[in-house]
Amino acid sequence: DTGVSQNPRHKITKRGQNVTFRCDPISEHNRLYWYRQTLGQGPEFLTYFQNEAQLEKSRLLSDRFSAERPKGSFSTLEIQRTEQGDSAMYLCASSPPFRAGNEQFFGPGTRLTVL
Amino acid sequence: GDSVTQMEGPVTLSEEAFLTINCTYTATGYPSLFWYVQYPGEGLQLLLKATKADDKGSNKGFEATYRKETTSFHLEKGSVQVSDSAVYFCSAGGTSYGKLTFGQGTILTVHP
Repeated sequence: DTGVSQNPRHKITKRGQNVTFRCDPISEHNRLYWYRQTLGQGPEFLTYFQNEAQLEKSRLLSDRFSAERPKGSFSTLEIQRTEQGDSAMYLCASSPPFRAGNEQFFGPGTRLTVL
Repeated sequence: GDSVTQMEGPVTLSEEAFLTINCTYTATGYPSLFWYVQYPGEGLQLLLKATKADDKGSNKGFEATYRKETTSFHLEKGSVQVSDSAVYFCSAGGTSYGKLTFGQGTILTVHP
């Protein structure tokens, strides 16, 4: 079990550029989550996949954000036309098939800095 | 929607002191409750969990009891160590696709 991995770990970009992050969940975890964490705050839910289906999106996820999980394995999160307010840590988590008390396993995160 | 409120930090203690970090939640239904810990430079790790009222989660000397009547899940440890210095997050989840709602985090610093 290698844990949840995320790439890249750090990304610095200029305002207006597009960025894409990748998350590889723990194998056999059919549920995958994206969260955003800003300095001094707890993670905030962005979106959720069960297998390849995106089942829930937060209102935080503007039209500039899109997430995919094409084969029910890895997932990508793309931000188009980045803004300085997008600077944050983007966290991915995975979890096995749902039952009460299932914890989520978090990756190390991708820190985005928009200049 | 669900919300989680943690006591404001930061918390600074001497080694071997008693720790309490308060956490209260509001949620529809009966969420599972979790404490996650984030050590410097690392990702979130599950510290302990409780899935129903009166359950006590425990790990590494930390404990928290699911109190439905007070909607609380306070974290306690009888004797903290320098290595416990980290950010602690209370969270609630499981009522909607299992997504988690987090508190704002409490920074704990333990001095020798």
